[in-house]
Amino acid sequence: KAGVTQTPRYLIKTRGQQVTLSCSPISGHRSVSWYQQTPGQGLQFLFEYFSETQRNKGNFPGRFSGRQFSNSRSEMNVSTLELGDSALYLCASSLYGPTSEQETQYFGPGTRLLVL
Amino acid sequence: GQNIDQPTEMTATEGAIVQINCTYQTSGFNGLFWYQQHAGEAPTFLSYNVLDGLEEKGRFSSFLSRSKGYSYLLLKELQMKDSASYLCAVRVDSNYQLIWGAGTKLIIKP
Repeated sequence: KAGVTQTPRYLIKTRGQQVTLSCSPISGHRSVSWYQQTPGQGLQFLFEYFSETQRNKGNFPGRFSGRQFSNSRSEMNVSTLELGDSALYLCASSLYGPTSEQETQYFGPGTRLLVL
Repeated sequence: GQNIDQPTEMTATEGAIVQINCTYQTSGFNGLFWYQQHAGEAPTFLSYNVLDGLEEKGRFSSFLSRSKGYSYLLLKELQMKDSASYLCAVRVDSNYQLIWGAGTKLIIKP
């Protein structure tokens, strides 16, 4: 079974621009979560989507938005980029269910974003 | 608020045993996860605890005490490839949101 894929893997943007990141979950997984990771920081939760609906949202400004499509693929958008947005953005998918295996999140390789 | 504490960095010797602790203070509890993350790579799932006690998986074991808000990851027969960051995460509510610790960087020395 193919893993979680994210595109692009690397991205360089300048301040004020916007960016869209894509995530394709493991086949059959319906939940997709997005995280921001910066050096020395834990994973910071951005939002989670399930069946095309945003189910949870972290404490990030409105410049960060996302969506999920009917095939469970998800996109994340960041508008008006700031230098502090430079980070590794990770996407994780899970089945969504009561057992431990179904609740486990499987991560993609991430998109490394550099804002100049 | 939600808080998860892990040591920032630990050093151990190849072949030895190391215990990485995680304490949490959260508004609820619905399971605790341990993930391994090698530098520059994505986190990978190691273990899951929702009931008190020890879960063993080969060289890795994870323990949970819900009354103490405490978990540890035990790594035996350490190998150089175990050098990585180990992340503790708690699922805090029925919405399945995970709260993550900052991670423990484990350095293995020959």
